Order: sequence, then structure tokens, then C-alpha cells
Amino acid sequence: DTAVSQTPKYLVTQMGNDKSIKCEQNLGHDTMYWYKQDSKKFLKIMFSYNNKELIINETVPNRFSPKSPDKAHLNLHINSLELGDSAVYFCASSQVSGGNYGYTFGSGTRLTVV
Amino acid sequence: AQSVTQLGSHVSVSEGALVLLRCNYSSSVPPYLFWYVQYPNQGLQLLLKYTTGATLVKGINGFEAEFKKSETSFHLTKPSAHMSDAAEYFCAVSEAANAGKSTFGDGTTLTVKP
Repeated sequence: DTAVSQTPKYLVTQMGNDKSIKCEQNLGHDTMYWYKQDSKKFLKIMFSYNNKELIINETVPNRFSPKSPDKAHLNLHINSLELGDSAVYFCASSQVSGGNYGYTFGSGTRLTVV
Repeated sequence: AQSVTQLGSHVSVSEGALVLLRCNYSSSVPPYLFWYVQYPNQGLQLLLKYTTGATLVKGINGFEAEFKKSETSFHLTKPSAHMSDAAEYFCAVSEAANAGKSTFGDGTTLTVKP
């Protein structure tokens, strides 16, 4: 039983297309995150949701739109994909209330824009 | 603002030698500190964490880290390296007031030579 699962694992698409990445966690955590890992392996937070409410929205182009239909799901939709969007996108979850801030990560979605 | 600096982007040790990966943090409040490991083409996995209490924390796979407030450090050690320890290691800091947001260091690539 995968704790944090992301789909798809690989995504190859052309510039200008719109794509979505899905994430689900079965840990009962109250907070979910999207992180972007670039080719140098630097990790940068994009968004965070706590119980379906957006609480962190870093400086990310508005072509990126997260959606959380419930606290177990966090999806990422990307419009008008650009070459610079190529990266690995990680979903993660944690239980913030109660002070357990350690993350459980998904296995990542490798996005390649051509 | 919270931040983390990992000293040394690449560390190489011989099998059986001591592993020491360095991490210094900056935080305006008492921090939560973490070490994660990332194997190729996988997500990050939590190795260990410091929240409060004992400053020497033990994690999985024989790793441990010591929180030193006076030195603002949280170095990761393992007495004897195994070939299977070769991976990317990330130090991260989180603050209670930051809604669970973790800021990651740039990572250290650990190579283990036979």
C-alpha cells in the first residue's frame, strides 16, 4: 500500500500543451505539498494545502494551478507548458497539527517538455 | 527566515569509513531539523528528525545526527559506510510558524568506494 502515490510517473509533452499530475495520500495527514526538483536536484516548494485550504503559494507562474478536492488528494494542473517546466515534481504530505513536520514523499513525476 | 547550508556538494568515502555530512541552519525560532535520503529515480525518504528533547537523534540505516544550537549545526554521521549508502542526502529545516513548510539544502552526493 503506497503511502503517497503520484501519477503519472513520466510525462513527455510538447510546448504549449496543458497537463495534470495527480497525488493521493492514505496516511491521514492534514497537509500536502508540491515541490519542484530541477536538473541540479535543488528542491523548491511550490504550494501547500492544509485540509483543502491553500496555505503556501510561493512565487510560481500562474500557469500552475493546484487543486485539493479533499485532504487526501492534491493535483497540479499546468497550462501552456514551457521548456523550463521540465523537472521532477514531488508531492509530499505531513501531519502539521501535532507538530510532526517530517514529510512522506511520493516517487515523483518526471516532466519533459519538448 | 529559515535556511539551510550543506557544506560539500560531493563527499566520497571508502567502504567501512566514517560518513560525515555537514549541515548548518538559520532560523529565527527553535527549528525542526531533518535529513532525507534520495536514491536514483526515487522520492526522498526521511532518515531522521530533531524536534525537541534529546539532541542526538538516531535514524534508519545506522545514521545519526546531533543538534548543536551553539554551532547552528545538524551534521549527519554513520560509523561505517556501506556501498548501499551511496545516494543524495538533503538537510531540511522547518519552523512551527511556517505551517509545516520545509526548506531544503542543496544536497550532498555521497559516493562510497569499494
